[in-house]
Amino acid sequence: KAGVTQTPRYLIKTRGQQVTLSCSPISGHRSVSWYQQTPGQGLQFLFEYFSETQRNKGNFPGRFSGRQFSNSRSEMNVSTLELGDSALYLCASSLDLGPGFFGPGTRLTVL
Amino acid sequence: GENVEQHPSTLSVQEGDSAVIKCTYSDSASNYFPWYKQELGKRPQLIIDIRSNVGEKKDQRIAVTLNKTAKHFSLHITETQPEDSAVYFCAASPGGANSKLTFGKGITLSVRP
Repeated sequence: KAGVTQTPRYLIKTRGQQVTLSCSPISGHRSVSWYQQTPGQGLQFLFEYFSETQRNKGNFPGRFSGRQFSNSRSEMNVSTLELGDSALYLCASSLDLGPGFFGPGTRLTVL
Repeated sequence: GENVEQHPSTLSVQEGDSAVIKCTYSDSASNYFPWYKQELGKRPQLIIDIRSNVGEKKDQRIAVTLNKTAKHFSLHITETQPEDSAVYFCAASPGGANSKLTFGKGITLSVRP
């Protein structure tokens, strides 16, 4: 099976802009979670989608949002970008109640 | 919310020795505990996981033990090899394994040849 894929791999944006990241899970996986990874804060949970519904949400501001499509592909959107949003954004897919498999991540740089 | 702590933050061992990485968690509702290995510039990779109804799980050179009473779990790597050098993350989840994982800060393991 193909692994989890994320696009784009790298992004450079300026403050105030918005960005959309995409994640394609492993075939058959219906759960997609998103994480932010930074050197200071480590890996932090953003949200999880299962069968097109947000099932869990972390402690991030409302500027961070996501959605999941009927084919389980997921997108996350960050509006009004801040310098502190620079990070590696990782998604992980799983079967329900199964272990998560991470994608390669999208490296977002906000200037 | 859940809080996961890892100790130590760095660990250096001689090739062939064993390495033990410990994590503690705070939420007694957590019932799923995976360990991830992340090499520089790469994605985190699941290396082993354990659920709260099991006390120990082993996979070749890697084992994980869980003490629910004390709220801690540990990763044991035997016969370490230079390719084991990486950052190791522990995590805890209250259910739905891919759901709302809380990660520790990570431990950098260096295996000296």
